[in-house]
Amino acid sequence: KQEVTQIPAALSVPEGENLVLNCSFTDSAIYNLQWFRQDPGKGLTSLLLIQSSQREQTSGRLNASLDKSSGRSTLYIAASQPGDSATYLCATGANSKLTFGKGITLSVRP
Amino acid sequence: GAVVSQHPSWVICKSGTSVKIECRSLDFQATTMFWYRQFPKQSLMLMATSNEGSKATYEQGVEKDKFLINHASLTLSTLTVTSAHPEDSSFYICSALTSGGAPSEQYFGPGTRLTVT
Repeated sequence: KQEVTQIPAALSVPEGENLVLNCSFTDSAIYNLQWFRQDPGKGLTSLLLIQSSQREQTSGRLNASLDKSSGRSTLYIAASQPGDSATYLCATGANSKLTFGKGITLSVRP
Repeated sequence: GAVVSQHPSWVICKSGTSVKIECRSLDFQATTMFWYRQFPKQSLMLMATSNEGSKATYEQGVEKDKFLINHASLTLSTLTVTSAHPEDSSFYICSALTSGGAPSEQYFGPGTRLTVT
């Protein structure tokens, strides 16, 4: 059974800092890995999707990498802003099903 | 982009009553939709997979007679929580799977906050 871990559970950084959010998973037989953003009391916004054959995806200030062999993914956020404050979840996909981590709650201090 | 809506966004009901939550794909057809439940500070847990025109597939530990799922059209799936109890209070989120082309991707609704008193 796939297990997805995100550590730490919470992170606080000053505005402008570059940061890396980590995600690890136990079963490397995945089709893809996705990173989502969730604001308090809201649904999910998809940030980046990496297919199993890919190693990274970029969108604006965000870059996500995938290393299936080590069971790890990272989400890099450049020049963080207070508006980036949210919970970031990673999820692995297999057979169209997603398995989620608990998320990392990011707070960017002005 | 693909948009998924949920209705209602929040609902309060009394213990023992039933509540229906709708999930709609607004600008695409979805043969497959998913229902998730999220407790505070916890990850999303998949409850069931809803397939248009057939019975839903429930995850282990999810009572199919309590959480009734109907996927009657390519744009609508409903989740009915029957005989709700306070422990059913949670955030319910649906997603719809795009098909055709690559990559297939789940698009998520905004969620429904259910409070059972």
